[in-house]
Amino acid sequence: AQKITQTQPGMFVQEKEAVTLDCTYDTSDPSYGLFWYKQPSSGEMIFLIYQGSYDQQNATEGRYSLNFQKARKSANLVISASQLGDSAMYFCAMREGSGYSTLTFGKGTMLLVSP
Amino acid sequence: EAGVTQFPSHSVIEKGQTVTLRCDPISGHDNLYWYRRVMGKEIKFLLHFVKESKQDESGMPNNRFLAERTGGTYSTLKVQPAELEDSGVYFCASSGRWNEQFFGPGTRLTVL
Repeated sequence: AQKITQTQPGMFVQEKEAVTLDCTYDTSDPSYGLFWYKQPSSGEMIFLIYQGSYDQQNATEGRYSLNFQKARKSANLVISASQLGDSAMYFCAMREGSGYSTLTFGKGTMLLVSP
Repeated sequence: EAGVTQFPSHSVIEKGQTVTLRCDPISGHDNLYWYRRVMGKEIKFLLHFVKESKQDESGMPNNRFLAERTGGTYSTLKVQPAELEDSGVYFCASSGRWNEQFFGPGTRLTVL
């Protein structure tokens, strides 16, 4: 079974609107971490936000917030007030365990922001 | 503070040739990871170093791939001999406080 599922291959949003990128995960480990990365056309992977499985509050970093629904095993990324520069590929990833273990990535969602 | 750097940014080689990719992690990061994204597929883990030791190399596709991290600083990933299916983008990452992994810009490898 897929450990990280991103069901939206592509999303379109207008500038200044909010957008939610979906991510569901599958793990039996009680300790895990969830990450979102942005990959613009230039190719680099940019870390956006992190949510730990024991964190009580949803993570926020500027215009990015993570809607963490633990019972549903979902970790959706919300981008408020989209900007043209937000157009990129977005990857959800998970680390299982509490140590320095590897990341498992979803297939990604391509976000296009139009003027 | 400098980020993760990778060299070269692009490499085009012929099938059967050897290529060596280099990664310089963020200074002080003991954990270093290699990942690969083949066209149209997910980013897949290759291996994980803690300092100079291989912590997990379960993702290495076959014995044509050899990774080293002598001295626990930079790492190299050698593909010898390269095959067509090795084409893709090879990412290196090093770990921060939460194991958020800071990625390098990647090396795009094309095997003809």
